[in-house]
Amino acid sequence: DAGVIQSPRHEVTEMGQEVTLRCKPISGHDYLFWYRQTMMRGLELLIYFNNNVPIDDSGMPEDRFSAKMPNASFSTLKIQPSEPRDSAVYFCASSLVLGGAGYTFGSGTRLTVV
Amino acid sequence: AQSVTQLDSQVPVFEEAPVELRCNYSSSVSVYLFWYVQYPNQGLQLLLKYLSGSTLVKGINGFEAEFNKSQTSFHLRKPSVHISDTAEYFCAVTAGGGADGLTFGKGTHLIIQP
Repeated sequence: DAGVIQSPRHEVTEMGQEVTLRCKPISGHDYLFWYRQTMMRGLELLIYFNNNVPIDDSGMPEDRFSAKMPNASFSTLKIQPSEPRDSAVYFCASSLVLGGAGYTFGSGTRLTVV
Repeated sequence: AQSVTQLDSQVPVFEEAPVELRCNYSSSVSVYLFWYVQYPNQGLQLLLKYLSGSTLVKGINGFEAEFNKSQTSFHLRKPSVHISDTAEYFCAVTAGGGADGLTFGKGTHLIIQP
């Protein structure tokens, strides 16, 4: 398996633009997680899905953020409009179960909003 | 709910010296515990995990950790570090049984000095 695949690896965009981050989880993993990592706040869980259904989105910072999982092999995290404070590394992770097995992380998308 | 405290944000160590990275957790129920490593510009990679059984857990790259229930700790150790061990290390906890998601600590930056 190729692991969790995220694209793009790097994204630079201007404030106010829409940004879409993409994730392909490991085949057969029922759980998908979106995390944000910054120096100030560390790793923050934004949202997670179980069998393509959003279960907990309490970590989504505000309405500018949205996430979808239209099928078992694809998820997106969208920011519209983007702001400089959204600059961070965004990670996608997937897992067979919610806890216990550990998560497999993608390589992340480094987002810079200027 | 569970929480994790990594007491040291940075640990400098000379090459070939032993190292211990500290992790304490808080939980009212039994727990599963994990250590992840993040190399520069990469995602998080699972080092080792404790689910049950022997309290001494061995992981990849020569690392091991010991679960101490009375001290609510799960410290990570390596007897002799190499320059390639320079990375960020994250401790994570979830409720035993895996019914909750992982809660991550803020990370410890291990700096290996030649």
